[in-house]
Amino acid sequence: GAGVSQSPSNKVTEKGKDVELRCDPISGHTALYWYRQSLGQGLEFLIYFQGNSAPDKSGLPSDRFSAERTGGSVSTLTIQRTQQEDSAVYLCASSLTARDSSNQPQHFGDGTRLSIL
Amino acid sequence: QKEVEQNSGPLSVPEGAIASLNCTYSDRGSQSFFWYRQYSGKSPELIMSIYSNGDKEDGRFTAQLNKASQYVSLLIRDSQPSDSATYLCAVTYISGNTPLVFGKGTRLSVIA
Repeated sequence: GAGVSQSPSNKVTEKGKDVELRCDPISGHTALYWYRQSLGQGLEFLIYFQGNSAPDKSGLPSDRFSAERTGGSVSTLTIQRTQQEDSAVYLCASSLTARDSSNQPQHFGDGTRLSIL
Repeated sequence: QKEVEQNSGPLSVPEGAIASLNCTYSDRGSQSFFWYRQYSGKSPELIMSIYSNGDKEDGRFTAQLNKASQYVSLLIRDSQPSDSATYLCAVTYISGNTPLVFGKGTRLSVIA
C-alpha cells in the first residue's frame, strides 16, 4: 500500500541557496510531522500539522525554516539561505486523528538526505 | 526539558537469545510509548506501541511499561541477525496528535 512519500530523496546544494522538501502523507492521515536526524543524533521535532494548521512550530530552529500544508494533504518544508549545519536527513511522518487520549502511531517516509556544500 | 534516555550500545547478543532494550523518560505525565526500528540509512519503522502499564506481546516482540518507575522496555525473543538495527524509544507527553520525543537509540547486534 502507499506509505508516506518524500521527495527528493537526496538533495545537494550550495550554502546560501533555498531548498524545498516535499511530503505526501498516507491517504486519510490528518496529522503530519516533520523531524530531522543529523549524523549520529536522535530525531529532532521541527513542526506538526493538524489539517492545514500548525499547532506546534516550536521545533523550527530559526526563521529560515518554514512549512506549509495545503488541502490537508501535501506539505512542503522550505529552508532559506541554507547553512552547512542544515545538513541532515529530513523525515516526514503522518498519523490518523487521535480518537481518545491515546496517541495514534506515526508512520515515516524514507526521508530527504540534504547536503549543504 | 522532556528527555528520553537509552543506552547507545552496541548491545551484542547471540542468535536465538533474548535481547532486552531499555528506555527511561523524564516526565511522569507521559501518555504513549512507541518502539521504532531503524536500519542503517533507512527511516524508522514502527514495531510496537504501548499505552498502559504491563506487557504487550506481538510475535517475538514484547513491550513492557512501568509508569511508576518511568521506564519502558522492549524484549526480542529468538533474536535473528536480521534484527540487527538501532531501536528508538519514543514518547508523547500530551494526549491526541502530538510530536514524538525520541531517545537517541540503542544499536543492537545479533551475532550468528
